[in-house]
Amino acid sequence: SQKIEQNSEALNIQEGKTATLTCNYTNYSPAYLQWYRQDPGRGPVFLLLIRENEKEKRKERLKVTFDTTLKQSLFHITASQPADSATYLCARNNAGNMLTFGGGTRLMVKP
Amino acid sequence: GAGVSQSPSNKVTEKGKDVELRCDPISGHTALYWYRQSLGQGLEFLIYFQGNSAPDKSGLPSDRFSAERTGGSVSTLTIQRTQQEDSAVYLCASSSQAGLVYEQYFGPGTRLTVT
Repeated sequence: SQKIEQNSEALNIQEGKTATLTCNYTNYSPAYLQWYRQDPGRGPVFLLLIRENEKEKRKERLKVTFDTTLKQSLFHITASQPADSATYLCARNNAGNMLTFGGGTRLMVKP
Repeated sequence: GAGVSQSPSNKVTEKGKDVELRCDPISGHTALYWYRQSLGQGLEFLIYFQGNSAPDKSGLPSDRFSAERTGGSVSTLTIQRTQQEDSAVYLCASSSQAGLVYEQYFGPGTRLTVT
């Protein structure tokens, strides 16, 4: 089965620093990976998508990488702010555009 | 336009009762998904509808779970004879299949508590 693994421990960083979250997958590389943000009591919100043939994708303060050799995606938030505190979910596509989600990593940005 | 809506937002039911959860997807979205999220866990895929095709039910945990999508729009997830382990947040998402890549838009979820 296709698995997505994220660090279940919370990541605590200081405001202004760069947060880096890791997503590892098993078996074959997916056609794309997606990253979502989830706040308590809310549904996930789509942030970024990166395709298998793309090494890096950026959107404002966000950057995602896709390393098919390491079977890993890294999600970076530069100049982090307390408002960035949330749980970040990584997901890989399967057949029919169904997504398999990782367990998420909780990010806490302290002022 | 309006996002994905779900109702009720909270549902408390007694063990053994049946429950129905409703999802209104974004207008025009042909794909609809149901997920379940237990406390502190990731999203678990349940069922997927795409247009008029037969739904993919591969994620349903037991035959007590079923879902319908009427008229290609509203969907209802039904759980019969609820058990305590069914307690979770049930999330619905929809996506447009018009492009090559398909981000999913999630509703706020229904928090189900089985007592």
